[in-house]
Amino acid sequence: DTVLTQSPALAVSPGERVTISCRASESVSTLMHWYQQKPGQQPKLLIYLASHLESGVPARFSGSGSGTDFTLTIDPVEADDTATYYCQQSWNDPTFGAGTKLELK
Amino acid sequence: EVQLVESGGGLVQPGRSMKLSCAASGFTFNNYDMAWVCQAPKKGLEWVATISYDGSSTYYRDSVKGRFTISRDNAKSTLYLQMDSLRSEDTATYYCARRSPFQVFAYWGQGTLVTVSS
Repeated sequence: DTVLTQSPALAVSPGERVTISCRASESVSTLMHWYQQKPGQQPKLLIYLASHLESGVPARFSGSGSGTDFTLTIDPVEADDTATYYCQQSWNDPTFGAGTKLELK
Repeated sequence: EVQLVESGGGLVQPGRSMKLSCAASGFTFNNYDMAWVCQAPKKGLEWVATISYDGSSTYYRDSVKGRFTISRDNAKSTLYLQMDSLRSEDTATYYCARRSPFQVFAYWGQGTLVTVSS
């Protein structure tokens, strides 16, 4: 299985720029996707194929990367962005990162 | 509007069986591959199984192969997950998801909790 490694938690102030990283144990080309999950809710797709913004998702969210290193950027961060963010690869059987919990100061 | 509504979860003893259902609406069900993804309490997401749009192909994570069976009834726009020989480590919320090209999970249900305990 392709292992995805994410930093466990981040704390930022509203209005700041935050980058959430995801590193794959092998190259996944651009087959990387990002989801947001708020407490008690199902995951929501934000970014697909590394950099494509899902319809209806605010342009404050963006994604970049290829190969093994990927980044989700939120700029500027808003209070409603408090959530856990997961990366997911689809180069082979789908696997998810452990999630990065974003907290607002 | 795409809607996925899971049902069938609850408390089950180790070694017993349970069948989950996912009722789909708001899209042409038989045009899409579907999947189950689970999330253990306070843990991350794990893909469980995928079924092709016509039911002809199925794929499973290693830990559920031989125990879980994904199926679908396109006439009823319903996805199923038959879970046999359940173990405590299968305790999780199970989400039904619509699979887009490149194995992106664009739509998710609200989930149904399965608790395996004696």
